[in-house]
Amino acid sequence: GAVVSQHPSRVICKSGTSVKIECRSLDFQATTMFWYRQFPKKSLMLMATSNEGSKATYEQGVEKDKFLINHASLTLSTLTVTSAHPEDSSFYICSASFLGGEKLFFGSGTQLSVL
Amino acid sequence: QQQVKQSPQSLIVQKGGISIINCAYENTAFDYFPWYQQFPGKGPALLIAIRPDVSEKKEGRFTISFNKSAKQFSLHIMDSQPGDSATYFCAAGLSWDYKLSFGAGTTVTVRA
Repeated sequence: GAVVSQHPSRVICKSGTSVKIECRSLDFQATTMFWYRQFPKKSLMLMATSNEGSKATYEQGVEKDKFLINHASLTLSTLTVTSAHPEDSSFYICSASFLGGEKLFFGSGTQLSVL
Repeated sequence: QQQVKQSPQSLIVQKGGISIINCAYENTAFDYFPWYQQFPGKGPALLIAIRPDVSEKKEGRFTISFNKSAKQFSLHIMDSQPGDSATYFCAAGLSWDYKLSFGAGTTVTVRA
């Protein structure tokens, strides 16, 4: 089956620094990628939808200047958490789909801890 | 606005028993209803999905029942095993964009 690789799996950073998370579709061209945030024992909250070559569409309440999303190619999307603060600590997950596909494939997630 | 409501929040079942998780959705335009299994520290993995043109779909020990008129669907895990202990999420959305709304999740614990 299709594989979505997410890197890093875990990152610890200091408050005020920026962190980049990568999401790659390994064996298909991802026309659309989604970014989610998940708090402990909670559901997935959609943050934004990104389509290759166009600006990401952010969900209401998500700061686009804090969570920068770049979908530069059909196999790579990145989420950059800028000027991270402890309240940004969370589990971030990406998913990808392809045109005509019947499934949504998820990455393995990134645990971000901001000290 | 919560578009998908999931219950129960948690359940405990004995090995070999049946786990049942229920979901209800609001948007009648939704035409894709997947269930995901998530282990701690991992991303969700697709278990099984159904579209509204069928009332039931079975894959191995997992069965989805779908009631379009009631806008409800459920997951049945037959012959539950300790390895099934995980959090299960239902979701609903449109098959053309996969922008899914997720339920709150159900933590299933299977006791040996």
